[in-house]
Order: sequence, then C-alpha cells, then structure tokens
Amino acid sequence: GAVVSQHPSRVICKSGTSVKIECRSLDFQATTMFWYRQFPKQSLMLMATSNEGSKATYEQGVEKDKFLINHASLTLSTLTVTSAHPEDSSFYICSARQNERQGVNEKLFFGSGTQLSVL
Amino acid sequence: AQTVTQSQPEMSVQEAETVTLSCTYDTSESNYYLFWYKQPPSRQMILVIRQEAYKQQNATENRFSVNFQKAAKSFSLKISDSQLGDTAMYFCAFNRGSTLGRLYFGRGTQLTVWP
Repeated sequence: GAVVSQHPSRVICKSGTSVKIECRSLDFQATTMFWYRQFPKQSLMLMATSNEGSKATYEQGVEKDKFLINHASLTLSTLTVTSAHPEDSSFYICSARQNERQGVNEKLFFGSGTQLSVL
Repeated sequence: AQTVTQSQPEMSVQEAETVTLSCTYDTSESNYYLFWYKQPPSRQMILVIRQEAYKQQNATENRFSVNFQKAAKSFSLKISDSQLGDTAMYFCAFNRGSTLGRLYFGRGTQLTVWP
C-alpha cells in the first residue's frame, strides 16, 4: 500500500528556534497534503491544507506566520514551526491524498507523526 | 462548521466479545464521508472503515462494521470478536464533500480489550 513518510519522528528544540517537519509521499504523487496537531490525550485538529505549487489554506485560528507550509513538489510538504515556544509542543501529523486514477478511488494516508518538544 | 461527538471517553470489552462505539455528527451537507480511525500507542493513524454518505448500505471490514443512520446523523462502530490488538484510541472523523482530505475528528474513545 501507499506510504507517507514523516520526519523527524521526535525533535527537541530550544525556545525561539525554528523546526522543520517533512511529509513525503513515497510511492504516489500528492498534490494535496494536510497537517494536523494533536495535544496529549486529545483529538487531531486540522491546521492547514497544503497545495502543491500554491499557498497553503489555513484553518481558522491557526497562525500562518507561526506555521509555515511549503509544498514545492508533488511528493513533499514541509511544516516549519517558527520561533517555537513551549506552547507549540505537540504531536504533528500529516496526511496525503492519493489522487484518483482511473479505476482507483481516492485515499488518504497518514504519516507516523512528529513529537515536538520545545524547552 | 462540522462537529463530531464521541460521547464515550473510555470503553472496555472482554476478548471475543462485541463492543459498539458511538459517534454523532452535525452537518448541513448532503454529500460527505465518515471514517473510523484507530490510533494505537505508536500513534500511527490506521484506517478502520469508511462510509460514503450516499451509500445506504453499511460498510463492513471483516470484524468491523458500522451502523450509519444518515437522518439521525449517527455513525457507530461495531467490533465483533474483539482481540487484544484492538486496544487503541478510536476516532470518528467527518470529511465534507466528495473530495477527501479535510477531516474533522471527534475526541476519541479509548478502547481496552481484556483477556
């Protein structure tokens, strides 16, 4: 089946630094990817939709300048948490939509997530 | 806005028994998808089952089946012959429209299967 690779799986950084998380579709092209955030023992919250070759679409309440999204190729989207602070500590998960092909339904595939801890 | 409600924070079931997890949702859309995802301690999101709103027939995947009541906006998951490996957090999710991607999740139900 299709695989979405997300790196790093865990990152610890100092307050004020920026952290980049990669989401890569390994065996399919994904013109659209999605970024979620999950606090401990809580649900996944959609942050933004990443569109290849165009600007990301952010959900209400998500700071665009804090969470920079770049989708420069058909297989890679990146989320950069800029000037990270302890309150940004969370589990970040991406998903990618496998585009519909003839005879194949659209499907979504999730990455394995990134645990960000900001000290 | 779409809201998804899972009213059972925790459930437990004995191995080989059947358990049903509840989910209700609120939408004005007529075309949408519903999902159940499983998140084990590894935190990997695993698709359990998916239902297209236009389909009247309830989706089934081996031991997993749903009871989709569109008018009542209810989407429950039944797990038959529960196995220890079914222990996980289960999330109900709503996808608006016919294009997949933007999922709105419920708060989750932690299911524990006891031997």
